[in-house]
Amino acid sequence: GAVVSQHPSWVICKSGTSVKIECRSLDFQATTMFWYRQFPKQSLMLMATSNEGSKATYEQGVEKDKFLINHASLTLSTLTVTSAHPEDSSFYICSASPGRGGYNEQFFGPGTRLTVL
Amino acid sequence: QKEVEQNSGPLSVPEGAIASLNCTYSDRGSQSFFWYRQYSGKSPELIMSIYSNGDKEDGRFTAQLNKASQYVSLLIRDSQPSDSATYLCAVNPLSSASKIIFGSGTRLSIRP
Repeated sequence: GAVVSQHPSWVICKSGTSVKIECRSLDFQATTMFWYRQFPKQSLMLMATSNEGSKATYEQGVEKDKFLINHASLTLSTLTVTSAHPEDSSFYICSASPGRGGYNEQFFGPGTRLTVL
Repeated sequence: QKEVEQNSGPLSVPEGAIASLNCTYSDRGSQSFFWYRQYSGKSPELIMSIYSNGDKEDGRFTAQLNKASQYVSLLIRDSQPSDSATYLCAVNPLSSASKIIFGSGTRLSIRP
């Protein structure tokens, strides 16, 4: 149980284009989903927290107009990187929390490796 | 002071020995504690959750929690080369609702 999928697993795009990443909880309903970014040999960095049907909460320093998050249902959240630039190249990972009993454990998707040329 | 602190390592342990990973946290009101394993180039995988003081065992893994000392540890018995990874300690502070705060991770290397 507690499986989270992400699609695509990798993407290469040209500078200036937009890229959409999907995150799905396959066998549970996720009250909350999270988006992280991780650069090589660095720690996970939380970008935003999203709850179904409401606006995402972005961490300080993360541009909400550049990283658009939509949490359309209890099993699907999407992250769109708009007007991507080479510095946006990174490993993007989503996680989902079933929120059982308030324990707030998170289950991670396999990640999406974005390369912007 | 960082919210969740771990020694970055690398921690080198011989195969078959016990690997001991430690973590301290700053928010005394924290209620939930997690250990994740992350292989290079992969996403984190939840291996242990612990919510009350004491020990929790799952196979070769034992998590230990001491809320008075604000200390969490993970023991891996009979270490295998496949245990070589970065281990992330994560804490759900009282102040952060559903977010969990990650430590920077300890790199563990099991030598044959």
